[in-house]
Amino acid sequence: RKEVEQDPGPFNVPEGATVAFNCTYSNSASQSFFWYRQDCRKEPKLLMSVYSSGNEDGRFTAQLNRASQYISLLIRDSKLSDSATYLCVVRTIQGAQKLVFGQGTRLTINP
Amino acid sequence: DAGVIQSPRHEVTEMGQEVTLRCKPISGHDYLFWYRQTMMRGLELLIYFNNNVPIDDSGMPEDRFSAKMPNASFSTLKIQPSEPRDSAVYFCASSPSGVSGNTIYFGEGSWLTVV
Repeated sequence: RKEVEQDPGPFNVPEGATVAFNCTYSNSASQSFFWYRQDCRKEPKLLMSVYSSGNEDGRFTAQLNRASQYISLLIRDSKLSDSATYLCVVRTIQGAQKLVFGQGTRLTINP
Repeated sequence: DAGVIQSPRHEVTEMGQEVTLRCKPISGHDYLFWYRQTMMRGLELLIYFNNNVPIDDSGMPEDRFSAKMPNASFSTLKIQPSEPRDSAVYFCASSPSGVSGNTIYFGEGSWLTVV
């Protein structure tokens, strides 16, 4: 079983729609969680960290469910510029810098 | 501010040739990472360094791969001999220590094609 699993998609949604992705992780001792965004033929970049109480950044909301070991990302009022691959990322060992990336969920926002 | 700088950006080489990828991390960052990305396997951590010392190389696929970090501002990933299955995007990334180390910063990647 992979350490971090995501639905690869693709998700095709119309502009203005709300879209949500989930991600599951296998190591119950995982400490830190993130969503990265990767545009086509570009490097991944941090979108947002995921905190235990859930957190919001503009149109983006991230949630963590430790009991079920999943992380979610919700995008409201989607824009064409949101089209990208969204990578779920987990730090599995406290104090270590090793980040494990999911394979990513590809999102296309259609006009 | 300069980000992580990788070279070459693109390389096409013949099977059996040696490939050397280079990376300059962000100044002041203590950690340096080498990742490989393919469609099939996604983004995989190959090796990472802390203060120039290799900490975890469990992701290095086999003996054909080696990585060095001779000083805080330079690292290399070498493949010798290269094989077609090594074709991928190789990303170097760096991060600072401490809480701010929650973010790692990627270079633009080295696109390798082995024919």
